[in-house]
Amino acid sequence: AQSVTQLGSHVSVSEGALVLLRCNYSSSVPPYLFWYVQYPNQGLQLLLKYTSAATLVKGINGFEAEFKKSETSFHLTKPSAHMSDAAEYFCAVRTFGAGSYQLTFGKGTKLSVIP
Amino acid sequence: GEEVAQTPKHLVRGEGQKAKLYCAPIKGHSYVFWYQQVLKNEFKFLISFQNENVFDETGMPKERFSAKCLPNSPCSLEIQATKLEDSAVYFCASSQSASGGARDEQFFGPGTRLTVL
Repeated sequence: AQSVTQLGSHVSVSEGALVLLRCNYSSSVPPYLFWYVQYPNQGLQLLLKYTSAATLVKGINGFEAEFKKSETSFHLTKPSAHMSDAAEYFCAVRTFGAGSYQLTFGKGTKLSVIP
Repeated sequence: GEEVAQTPKHLVRGEGQKAKLYCAPIKGHSYVFWYQQVLKNEFKFLISFQNENVFDETGMPKERFSAKCLPNSPCSLEIQATKLEDSAVYFCASSQSASGGARDEQFFGPGTRLTVL
């Protein structure tokens, strides 16, 4: 079974500051890992994904994440926050078992950007 | 279509009434997934389909929930005798494949907000 823990349900940063959203996973097999963003009253948009290739993954909107197997982490970063980054962010893990391809999500981190 | 379409956008039902939600996956996608988002954060997997066949239904509350994906029709998720705790946003996602690689990215629809009064 897999699980995802997102540390911090709410993170506030100043505009232009570093964004760091934490995600730790638990998986019995090598995982695929994802970060999604959800704007108010909208669906989920994929930011980036790790699928066992490069451990540093670059995504859209200037976000990137690094897969660290030793720490079972997949933290999301962006060097300089923009007001438009304010949203809810979800980390998700996907493992492949017999007849099982669903995503398991963390509880989300709400990012606020202070002008 | 190029996007996952979900209808209706909002649905209000009295407790005990039936609710039916629809999802049109992206054309050419073989896999459909239903997720339930409660309290604006917790996502729960409900069921997945490979074409019209149930692929994984381990998340479905079997007593009142049912789902179908029939050829040439939108997929549907039906809740018989809704309860207050069914109030949530129901998301549908589709993917080309599920065996690993770029083609198994899940694309999400905008969701259906179900309110049970």
